Amino acid sequence: NAGVTQTPKFRVLKTGQSMTLLCAQDMNHEYMYWYRQDPGMGLRLIHYSVGEGTTAKGEVPDGYNVSRLKKQNFLLGLESAAPSQTSVYFCASSYEGLDTGELFFGEGSRLTVL
Amino acid sequence: GQNIDQPTEMTATEGAIVQINCTYQTSGFNGLFWYQQHAGEAPTFLSYNVLDGLEEKGRFSSFLSRSKGYSYLLLKELQMKDSASYLCAVKDSNYQLIWGAGTKLIIKP
Repeated sequence: NAGVTQTPKFRVLKTGQSMTLLCAQDMNHEYMYWYRQDPGMGLRLIHYSVGEGTTAKGEVPDGYNVSRLKKQNFLLGLESAAPSQTSVYFCASSYEGLDTGELFFGEGSRLTVL
Repeated sequence: GQNIDQPTEMTATEGAIVQINCTYQTSGFNGLFWYQQHAGEAPTFLSYNVLDGLEEKGRFSSFLSRSKGYSYLLLKELQMKDSASYLCAVKDSNYQLIWGAGTKLIIKP
């Protein structure tokens, strides 16, 4: 059981370049999320989706776009990368039908913008 | 504003007991989570509290007091593999998760 899979695991970009992070889950979860994790700070929600074809902004959406064309996939795009977007990005999914709404995380994608 | 406070770092001895505290101020409350995150890895779910009291799960227990905006995670019989960061998160009135910065727990032999 793969769970939540993120690609790529590592990437180095130059300022102004664009890229897409892919998240795939095989648990048939409705909800998917993109977070960023920076030293000394809690996880911050970038965008999330409550189902196929829907997306919504989180706490820090600027500079990012997302798409959820298929239920199992959630893509995060950086249109024009900036050094402030250097971070570790985590995708997560959940089945909100569960009382706890426990999140299942991918292994993370470490992005460096030079 | 919304805020989750937890100590930045704690040190404990193998075989001992450690308590990691979390205090929160959020707009509404719909549950509190604890996650464990080993260095360079993804967070993994440990516990969930929505009612006051203690939830026990093996060596780990989590306590909640909603009136005090307070929770703690209790780890017993510490093992070296328990060295990790422990993240406290609260689900607010909009069912959004607010995360603390995490407590790095160092276990010494």
